[in-house]
Amino acid sequence: QKEVEQDPGPLSVPEGAIVSLNCTYSNSAFQYFMWYRQYSRKGPELLMYTYSSGNKEDGRFTAQVDKSSKYISLFIRDSQPSDSATYLCAISPGNEKLTFGTGTRLTIIP
Amino acid sequence: DTGVSQDPRHKITKRGQNVTFRCDPISEHNRLYWYRQTLGQGPEFLTYFQNEAQLEKSRLLSDRFSAERPKGSFSTLEIQRTEQGDSAMYLCASSRGLEQYFGPGTRLTVT
Repeated sequence: QKEVEQDPGPLSVPEGAIVSLNCTYSNSAFQYFMWYRQYSRKGPELLMYTYSSGNKEDGRFTAQVDKSSKYISLFIRDSQPSDSATYLCAISPGNEKLTFGTGTRLTIIP
Repeated sequence: DTGVSQDPRHKITKRGQNVTFRCDPISEHNRLYWYRQTLGQGPEFLTYFQNEAQLEKSRLLSDRFSAERPKGSFSTLEIQRTEQGDSAMYLCASSRGLEQYFGPGTRLTVT
């Protein structure tokens, strides 16, 4: 079993829709959770990170963590064509290496 | 530009040749990480440094791979006797705390 599972998609939604991206993890030692966005042939860009169960909001993005279920989500409201990218979840036990999911490829259709 | 930089951006080499990549982290960041990413996969951890000390190496990092960070500033990743399976994007990231910031990557193609 992989430490982090993420549906690779691809996922296509119309512009303006709410997007839900999800990951599950297996090791409760992981305490920190990040979401990265990666455009084609570019490096990952940090969107959000959180370390507690619950929601964290930043503009159109909301990160949600449920430690009891080992389930993390990223919601994108009012999706835009510029949001089309691969979204990677990443987890860490602390101030060290990240373990990434495979990434979900998202396309927003104008 | 005060972000993480990597050089070269692209490298094409023949099997059996040695290659070296460079990463310049964000200046006040004391931690530097190397990851490898293949098509359709997330980045996989290779190794990381705190200042000049190499603190962890993945089992993915075979004896053909070596990384250095002299004086705790820039870092180099060398691959000796390259194999076709080494073809990937090599990503560098730096951090001062929890948040890791990535560079644009070096895309290696081994022919």
